[in-house]
Amino acid sequence: NAGVTQTPKFQVLKTGQSMTLQCAQDMNHEYMSWYRQDPGMGLRLIHYSVGAGITDQGEVPNGYNVSRSTTEDFPLRLLSAAPSQTSVYFCASSHGQLGYTFGSGTRLTVV
Amino acid sequence: KQEVTQIPAALSVPEGENLVLNCSFTDSAIYNLQWFRQDPGKGLTSLLLIQSSQREQTSGRLNASLDKSSGRSTLYIAASQPGDSATYLCAVNNAGKSTFGDGTTLTVKP
Repeated sequence: NAGVTQTPKFQVLKTGQSMTLQCAQDMNHEYMSWYRQDPGMGLRLIHYSVGAGITDQGEVPNGYNVSRSTTEDFPLRLLSAAPSQTSVYFCASSHGQLGYTFGSGTRLTVV
Repeated sequence: KQEVTQIPAALSVPEGENLVLNCSFTDSAIYNLQWFRQDPGKGLTSLLLIQSSQREQTSGRLNASLDKSSGRSTLYIAASQPGDSATYLCAVNNAGKSTFGDGTTLTVKP
């Protein structure tokens, strides 16, 4: 199994550009979530989903959109990139009371 | 709102020492608690998962405990090695989401 796959691994954006970070899992997990990690800090929840068609905001949702049209995919959209969104982004998935499996991350720089 | 605190923020020990990392959380309504390891510039590797009904889990030199009523978990590392140097993150899990502490950065000196 591939687990949780995130693309791209690295991205540089100019301020004001938009882009989508992709996240896919092949484990038929119902739960998926997006986090950002800034230097010296833990992970902060951006958005999460408890199933296809259901999404909710986390701790730091501003500037990001998500949708969950299928069980497998949970893309994260940056609407108008800002330097404050420079970070490492992680996607995770889980099912029931299993632990969370994380992708390898996307390192985003906004200049 | 769930809040997770990890103490200490950093820890430096000589090789061979046993050590304890601490994690506390404010809301005991959790599915489970998970300990992760993160090496610099890398992703998260799951170390141990404790269900809310369990008291402890063991894997090799690692032992994690959970006291849900008091909102505390500990990660015990026996006979530490330089390869254990990393940041250790505690995550409290619920439906669809995890709440993380800021981590403990461990350095094990040869």
